[in-house]
Amino acid sequence: VQLVESGGGLVQPGGSLRLSCAASGLTVSSNYMSWVRQAPGKGLEWVSIIYSGGSTYYADSVKGRFTISRDNSKNTVYLQMNSLRAEDTAVYYCECNVGDYWGQGTLVTVSS
Amino acid sequence: DIQMTQSPSAMSASVGDRVTITCRASQGISNNLAWFQQKPGKVPKRLIYDAFSLQSGVPSRFSGSGSGTEFTLTISSLQPEDFATYYCLQHNSYPRTFGQGTKVEIK
Repeated sequence: VQLVESGGGLVQPGGSLRLSCAASGLTVSSNYMSWVRQAPGKGLEWVSIIYSGGSTYYADSVKGRFTISRDNSKNTVYLQMNSLRAEDTAVYYCECNVGDYWGQGTLVTVSS
Repeated sequence: DIQMTQSPSAMSASVGDRVTITCRASQGISNNLAWFQQKPGKVPKRLIYDAFSLQSGVPSRFSGSGSGTEFTLTISSLQPEDFATYYCLQHNSYPRTFGQGTKVEIK
């Protein structure tokens, strides 16, 4: 199993970014796929999840600004991040099934 | 939201020591708890799932116990490669929540 995140980078406050998590060795539509983030020097923070049935849940800190989705044909999960704030700066990890597998992470920096 | 309180937040220990880390949930979470190890600059690694099930490939010196609101991760004999930060995660309800982490350092 391999999860590969991409899409991170530097963005200004108020801007948008879409992260991708491309999976191999498992089918994203059959598993619970989550995003977890870690601000520099801080602990882990759970962000969002998409269930196999399509249900989604979010942390209070990102609700209304972030949207998780997936493309079954590409076996990829996405995190659309809008209205970004400085406090969203973190490494964003994709993981599945309560941390059974993790990607290597992608860094998002929100700064002017 | 369920709050996960981990203790201690940091500790110093020697190779061979028995180490115990506790996670308390603000409300009952059955056995829906996992433990992770993270080394600096590395991806978190799951050690325990469902409160006490050992992840495949993880040494047997790691064990988990507890149910409801109080959970424990025990390292029976600390090894040099175990110096890291440990996190608990509840997945009983949303939003999922991590403990704040326990950094295990060399004494």
